[in-house]
Amino acid sequence: GAGVSQSPSNKVTEKGKDVELRCDPISGHTALYWYRQSLGQGLEFLIYFQGNSAPDKSGLPSDRFSAERTGGSVSTLTIQRTQQEDSAVYLCASSLSLFAVRTGELFFGEGSRLTVL
Amino acid sequence: SQQGEEDPQALSIQEGENATMNCSYKTSINNLQWYRQNSGRGLVHLILIRSNEREKHSGRLRVTLDTSKKSSSLLITASRAADTASYFCATDGNDYKLSFGAGTTVTVRA
Repeated sequence: GAGVSQSPSNKVTEKGKDVELRCDPISGHTALYWYRQSLGQGLEFLIYFQGNSAPDKSGLPSDRFSAERTGGSVSTLTIQRTQQEDSAVYLCASSLSLFAVRTGELFFGEGSRLTVL
Repeated sequence: SQQGEEDPQALSIQEGENATMNCSYKTSINNLQWYRQNSGRGLVHLILIRSNEREKHSGRLRVTLDTSKKSSSLLITASRAADTASYFCATDGNDYKLSFGAGTTVTVRA
């Protein structure tokens, strides 16, 4: 596609339920990032992928969070047993390469807004 | 943890005025970038300044970098209503993660 696509754009769930957030990066982009943005806050790094591999999972807040990427394209961020503090906008971004991230070529989707009741 | 911190948190100016916001960071960097986020949208890259540069211009944007003070500033000249957005600085270190600050929310009044 022309840009980074994320779905769903909005998700309301009940505490304790699992949710899956999907990211379709720009075609050909090998690097893919997930960030979390809580209300009025900056971006919190969660995880990045180079191809299908995630060299750095240090940003995942707890073991309830996991992410995978298949075929070097689509990525899914899964949150199990959601808690109210998980409410945030989850942003996905992609880049041609990890190096390109450093040169300003990181392209963001519009995010998935998660509300946990 | 967030590397950059923007100041002020919020800024309200009249159309045509200049807007200045600052960013401080903690560790050494390769490059510093500024991004804009319109309400409900993703972030868009605005401008990048390398660690060996002191000033850079792009259209109505002017960025400065002082590595000795670990700080940067973004100036938007002759602001327009369309400049209403949140602005974030982002830094990279020895890894491939961009660390973002909490942002400055700019409101341009017509």
